[in-house]
Amino acid sequence: EPEVTQTPSHQVTQMGQEVILRCVPISNHLYFYWYRQILGQKVEFLVSFYNNEISEKSEIFDDQFSVERPDGSNFTLKIRSTKLEDSAMYFCASSVFLGYEQYFGPGTRLTVT
Amino acid sequence: AQSVTQLDSQVPVFEEAPVELRCNYSSSVSVYLFWYVQYPNQGLQLLLKYLSGSTLVESINGFEAEFNKSQTSFHLRKPSVHISDTAEYFCAVMPVGATNKLIFGTGTLLAVQP
Repeated sequence: EPEVTQTPSHQVTQMGQEVILRCVPISNHLYFYWYRQILGQKVEFLVSFYNNEISEKSEIFDDQFSVERPDGSNFTLKIRSTKLEDSAMYFCASSVFLGYEQYFGPGTRLTVT
Repeated sequence: AQSVTQLDSQVPVFEEAPVELRCNYSSSVSVYLFWYVQYPNQGLQLLLKYLSGSTLVESINGFEAEFNKSQTSFHLRKPSVHISDTAEYFCAVMPVGATNKLIFGTGTLLAVQP
């Protein structure tokens, strides 16, 4: 069964450093997403991406964040200058079309020290 | 705006007992409804969904949920739980139409005891 994959599973970085989180969505899916879950809190939407551009983003997704589909399979989330409060589990997801169920990857735990 | 309320942060239950995990939502537009499960140290897995049609939906592992529009609820039930059902369960909604954004509740930890 096809699945969303994410690398790395755990990333530790120092405050102010740039990080790139990587995802490989399910191959025939057209919509891609990033969510995050701060420890003990609810899962929050960050951004959705379709046809090589952002289709929607939340207020959390400020200028420090960017997304890219650098090739036909990868989908990345970049945080330019990490802050302590960026520490969270970051989930990538994909769906076939708008309004269809989203399939999540296993997550990348980002720890900013 | 939409919101999802899961009033129970934790539900302890004995093995083979029935369980209900509550989910209520608020929305001014129609929504799709989802239950996701997160097993320890794993990602989110789709458990079941309501998009349209029959208001009672079932999963392959014995869970069911019923969409109640008048009560704006989508409670999750299982008649007999197993130890392996121990996990965090998240209810989520997606407004129909212009967005693909999932809005999650705070989650309910189902703790099944022998």
